[in-house]
Amino acid sequence: DTGVSQNPRHKITKRGQNVTFRCDPISEHNRLYWYRQTLGQGPEFLTYFQNEAQLEKSRLLSDRFSAERPKGSFSTLEIQRTEQGDSAMYLCASSLGLRVSLGELFFGEGSRLTVL
Amino acid sequence: AQTVTQSQPEMSVQEAETVTLSCTYDTSESDYYLFWYKQPPSRQMILVIRQEAYKQQNATENRFSVNFQKAAKSFSLKISDSQLGDAAMYFCAYKDNTDKLIFGTGTRLQVFP
Repeated sequence: DTGVSQNPRHKITKRGQNVTFRCDPISEHNRLYWYRQTLGQGPEFLTYFQNEAQLEKSRLLSDRFSAERPKGSFSTLEIQRTEQGDSAMYLCASSLGLRVSLGELFFGEGSRLTVL
Repeated sequence: AQTVTQSQPEMSVQEAETVTLSCTYDTSESDYYLFWYKQPPSRQMILVIRQEAYKQQNATENRFSVNFQKAAKSFSLKISDSQLGDAAMYFCAYKDNTDKLIFGTGTRLQVFP
């Protein structure tokens, strides 16, 4: 297992198009988090899953955003009708539930979205 | 709402010297956790050090140590004997009884030979 994998690493799209990002967590991890990071900012929480259940969504996650984690394995984050303000790095992290309090989140390298 | 503030957008240090990165946070909780994460250029973010709020003793991990001042809500990171590989973005993060981490805006650390 080589860690958390995110694809694509970079996506350039035109405003109004839909994009989907995929995250493959470390195999035994039941927690999966999505964060968004814009230039000069720290990661902002978007949503997280425990197994296949989506337990919390940030108010940052408008109705154009949807995330899934079917079967509790990989996760997808879809952005519909992209806007220029959606340009950011989308980070995925995974963990074992109780290890989150120890800060043991394992991050992927991120998927950078550029909306023209 | 809980907030994390890092007031130093950039810091620099000479190799082998010591540097301190600052972080303050705001919370009404008594039980929480604080962390420092390192994000090297184009690499994954990794955990550097953690501190449980109920512990009075400051955490230490090799060349990395923290100064945790609970009353002042301050959590600084000291890097001793700085190395070129320490150059990165450093994020302070907070977690209470919710299941998500709240990050600060980060401090970019440059290390000069």
